[in-house]
Amino acid sequence: EVQLVESGGGLVQPGGSLRLSCAASGFTFSSYWMTWVRQAPGKGLEWVAYIKPDGSENSYVDSVKGRFTISRDNAKNSLYLQMSSLRAEDTAVYYCGRRGGMDVWGQGTTVTVSS
Amino acid sequence: DVVMTQSPLSLPVTLGQPASISCRSSQSLVSSDGNTYLSWFQQRPGQSPRRLIYKVSKWESGVPDRFSGSGSGTDFTLKFSRVEAEDVGVYYCMQHTHWPYTFGQGTKLEIK
Repeated sequence: EVQLVESGGGLVQPGGSLRLSCAASGFTFSSYWMTWVRQAPGKGLEWVAYIKPDGSENSYVDSVKGRFTISRDNAKNSLYLQMSSLRAEDTAVYYCGRRGGMDVWGQGTTVTVSS
Repeated sequence: DVVMTQSPLSLPVTLGQPASISCRSSQSLVSSDGNTYLSWFQQRPGQSPRRLIYKVSKWESGVPDRFSGSGSGTDFTLKFSRVEAEDVGVYYCMQHTHWPYTFGQGTKLEIK
């Protein structure tokens, strides 16, 4: 079964850091572009970042550039999102997804930025 | 950025009746490879989104054929041939032709 499982969310103070992980199974992880999408409470969906299968290329939405870093470890079938200088507006459920088309989604992990 | 505009934002529907959601993009979604990367997602209450339709009109595996997608260029539609109770939720269109990829605001479908 194709599956993505996120972890690492939690409560963090403004200006703090957090690292999200996404464990992939049931498919050849190293062959796929991977993405992070977020959803603020009661709001719609927003793209955050994507990364190429070999990790050689990535891109970010303007609101997180310079603060977030997407990475992957193909040997561990894992995707990561390192978040720093967190702001209240980063509070959201963060989903990892397969491909640009998001054909597979994880269950999400909740990040709350608050003092 | 490409702006995706959905309408209506709220869609009350009687069970068994047809319905449709419109999605318009601020620029053409035809890619340089000739494909149009427009997808539709369903998010049931308390769940992660699930892709229903990709490349405008292709069904994701397991999606009932009462859902259908159509359109071209900048105008797209998700149609329900007859709405069932399990269709309650929020529906989003999304383009992944131009970075940053963008979603519509979402359309909340409810049963009258």
